[in-house]
Amino acid sequence: KQEVTQIPAALSVPEGENLVLNCSFTDSAIYNLQWFRQDPGKGLTSLLLIQSSQREQTSGRLNASLDKSSGRSTLYIAASQPGDSATYLCAVMNNGNNRLAFGKGNQVVVIP
Amino acid sequence: NAGVTQTPKFQVLKTGQSMTLQCAQDMNHNSMYWYRQDPGMGLRLIYYSASEGTTDKGEVPNGYNVSRLNKREFSLRLESAAPSQTSVYFCASKQTGVWVINEKLFFGSGTQLSVL
Repeated sequence: KQEVTQIPAALSVPEGENLVLNCSFTDSAIYNLQWFRQDPGKGLTSLLLIQSSQREQTSGRLNASLDKSSGRSTLYIAASQPGDSATYLCAVMNNGNNRLAFGKGNQVVVIP
Repeated sequence: NAGVTQTPKFQVLKTGQSMTLQCAQDMNHNSMYWYRQDPGMGLRLIYYSASEGTTDKGEVPNGYNVSRLNKREFSLRLESAAPSQTSVYFCASKQTGVWVINEKLFFGSGTQLSVL
């Protein structure tokens, strides 16, 4: 069974600092990996999707990397802003499986 | 473009009552999912439907039933609600298939359910 871990559960950073969020997974036979954002009381919004054949994906200030062999992904958010405050979740889909396994998320607060 | 629409947004039930959570998507996606989200437990899959006419159990299916009414709609039914089913429920959908490049998962805004 795929296990997805995100540590720490919560973190605070000053505005302007780069954010680095880590995700680890136990089974490297993945099909893709997604990073989501969730604001309080809202649903999840997909930020980036990395296929298993890719090493990274970028969108604006966001960059996600994938190292399948070590079972890790990292989400970088450059020059953090208070509006980046949210919970970020990592989810992995395995080969031959139509389901995603989610981590419990990193709750981020960007301090003005 | 509405995306994934869930109703109701809030619901309070008494133990033993039944109810159906509705979900509809307008993106012509073939796969649909129901998750529950609880503090400290993360998102857990209840049921999913890979295509119209098929449904499969997820991690926590006990106490729930689902219906994939057509390609657009996927409902979740609680036959006899229990306090342990107090949670936030999310419906999600995505396109799948060998021709699909981007299999991003799209979520509804959730239903907050309290069972007293």
